[in-house]
Amino acid sequence: GAGVSQSPSNKVTEKGKDVELRCDPISGHTALYWYRQRLGQGLEFLIYFQGNSAPDKSGLPSDRFSAERTGESVSTLTIQRTQQEDSAVYLCASSWTGTGVTGELFFGEGSRLTVL
Amino acid sequence: GDSVTQMEGPVTLSEEAFLTINCTYTATGYPSLFWYVQYPGEGLQLLLKATKADDKGSNKGFEATYRKETTSFHLEKGSVQVSDSAVYFCALKLGSQGNLIFGKGTKLSVKP
Repeated sequence: GAGVSQSPSNKVTEKGKDVELRCDPISGHTALYWYRQRLGQGLEFLIYFQGNSAPDKSGLPSDRFSAERTGESVSTLTIQRTQQEDSAVYLCASSWTGTGVTGELFFGEGSRLTVL
Repeated sequence: GDSVTQMEGPVTLSEEAFLTINCTYTATGYPSLFWYVQYPGEGLQLLLKATKADDKGSNKGFEATYRKETTSFHLEKGSVQVSDSAVYFCALKLGSQGNLIFGKGTKLSVKP
């Protein structure tokens, strides 16, 4: 596609429910990232996928958070047993990586999660 | 560890005023540096970038110069417009792979 696509754009859920957020990166981009942006805050790194390498999960805030990626395609971020502090905009980004490129990130418009 | 520090906001300016948003970084290697912008209700967009020392990135009248000696990448614009109102994020990346590390963002409001 032309850009990074995320769905749903808005999700309202009740505390304790599980949610899944989807990201469809730019075709051909080998790297995919998830970030979280709480209201009025900066971007918090969550997880990074690079090709077939093991993902960098160092930013995941708890074991309630997990993410998967199918090859170099779609990724799903799952939050189990949601808490009110999980309310945020979840941003996905993708980038091309390789020799001689700076690997700048291209962002989707985000999925706004509200936990009641 | 690697980090980015940018000036706290919010910054409020009148139209046609000069803008500077300070950004300094700490990195173990030689990063590429970026400014991203987030307009109200929109996703993050790359504004400009610089990949090595003394490079100047520019776009839409904004400029930033990669200063290795001061580890800085300050964003400047000579004459801001109301449409420049947004949140600006400074960021660094080490190599083509790996994480993009962001500053906390600076909110700019430009009044007519």
